[in-house]
Amino acid sequence: NAGVTQTPKFQVLKTGQSMTLQCAQDMNHEYMSWYRQDPGMGLRLIHYSVGAGITDQGEVPNGYNVSRSTTEDFPLRLLSAAPSQTSVYFCASSYRDRFGNTEAFFGQGTRLTVV
Amino acid sequence: RKEVEQDPGPFNVPEGATVAFNCTYSNSASQSFFWYRQDCRKEPKLLMSVYSSGNEDGRFTAQLNRASQYISLLIRDSKLSDSATYLCVVNPISSGSARQLTFGSGTQLTVLP
Repeated sequence: NAGVTQTPKFQVLKTGQSMTLQCAQDMNHEYMSWYRQDPGMGLRLIHYSVGAGITDQGEVPNGYNVSRSTTEDFPLRLLSAAPSQTSVYFCASSYRDRFGNTEAFFGQGTRLTVV
Repeated sequence: RKEVEQDPGPFNVPEGATVAFNCTYSNSASQSFFWYRQDCRKEPKLLMSVYSSGNEDGRFTAQLNRASQYISLLIRDSKLSDSATYLCVVNPISSGSARQLTFGSGTQLTVLP
């Protein structure tokens, strides 16, 4: 009963380095998304996907890329890390039930520090 | 103006107290509403959906006022385990797209023994 699995849980990067945050879900949800959470800012949407092969930008997409080659996986790539990208990153998958309600299931988060 | 606004708190209440949180949203087209709970250094988890008629789940009651565009969460008989940050979440359309989930910054609650 894994749900949404995110790796790594912690990461320290040097400015300019690149890396990929992994996210996988086993619930066969169509919708997946990446958020970042900063103090006092709440969760802000970075990128999202409504199905395999389809991605789109959220509120704060700059500096990040995503792809969705399978329903299960939705990796987030930091192209050239900057200190402003120090944050906690959450991956989420969601579905819409027959009543029109949407519940998002979150991974455990990745705490990223860019020095 | 933020799309979803919450009083950040912190709210410090004694065990057994009743506490209420409010949340306002700016998009009048919003159709789905939720409260999520986030424990310290953990991921958010759905606490309850909020329906137009209001709904109750044990000690928790959620209310929606569409005319005034606010949502409330009432917690009765507070327990120590209720200590967490409560996130107000709004979905402007009913398509279920994850893109549309807009989160408030959260209200921090600490229940004191």
